[in-house]
Amino acid sequence: EVQLVESGGGLVKPGGSLRLSCGASGFTFSTFIMNWVRQAPGKGLEWVSSISSTTAYIYYADSVKGRFTISRDNAENSLYLQMESLRAEDTAVYYCARYRGPLNALDYWGQGTLVTVSS
Amino acid sequence: QSALTQPASVSGSPGQSITISCTGTSSDIGGHNYVSWYQQFPGRAPKLIIYDVSNRPSGVSNRFSGSKSGNTASLTISGLQAEDEADYYCSSDTDSSTPVFGGGTKLTVL
Repeated sequence: EVQLVESGGGLVKPGGSLRLSCGASGFTFSTFIMNWVRQAPGKGLEWVSSISSTTAYIYYADSVKGRFTISRDNAENSLYLQMESLRAEDTAVYYCARYRGPLNALDYWGQGTLVTVSS
Repeated sequence: QSALTQPASVSGSPGQSITISCTGTSSDIGGHNYVSWYQQFPGRAPKLIIYDVSNRPSGVSNRFSGSKSGNTASLTISGLQAEDEADYYCSSDTDSSTPVFGGGTKLTVL
């Protein structure tokens, strides 16, 4: 069974940093493109970042470019999101999601971890 | 990276059919056939229900169908059931090789 479990969320002050983790199991993590998608309270989904299986290709949304860094450890079956210079508008539930190439879609999502940026 | 445009809400009675539109541009929906739809219940993670415009993953009811014309994609739910009440999001690949989501549509089953 495919499982994605996010962790690392919490309350942080504006300008602060946080590192999110996503542990994967039930599939060959090293062969899949992985993504972070966030959802602000009461709002819609916003794609944040994606990383290819070998880390050769990395993309960011304009809203986080230069502040967030996506990475992965294929030996540990883990995906990460290092978030710096956090702003109030970064407050959201952050989901990690697996991209399945043949479907060209995000076919499995974690349960999400809440990040709250507030003084 | 502007969000795709969806109606904020739609409603229908049990047994009816409803359609949710998703409008983009030639840089996303119009130029790509990688349109997907996600269903989300309150407090839960999104679930993939349509991929590649009109294909259903295994286990998704055939009451859900998708289509595309020009820069607009559509999700149709036929034989509406109370359990279909949820938020629905479209997504498309873009010329930037990154995905973009719609703003979401809240479906109410009357």
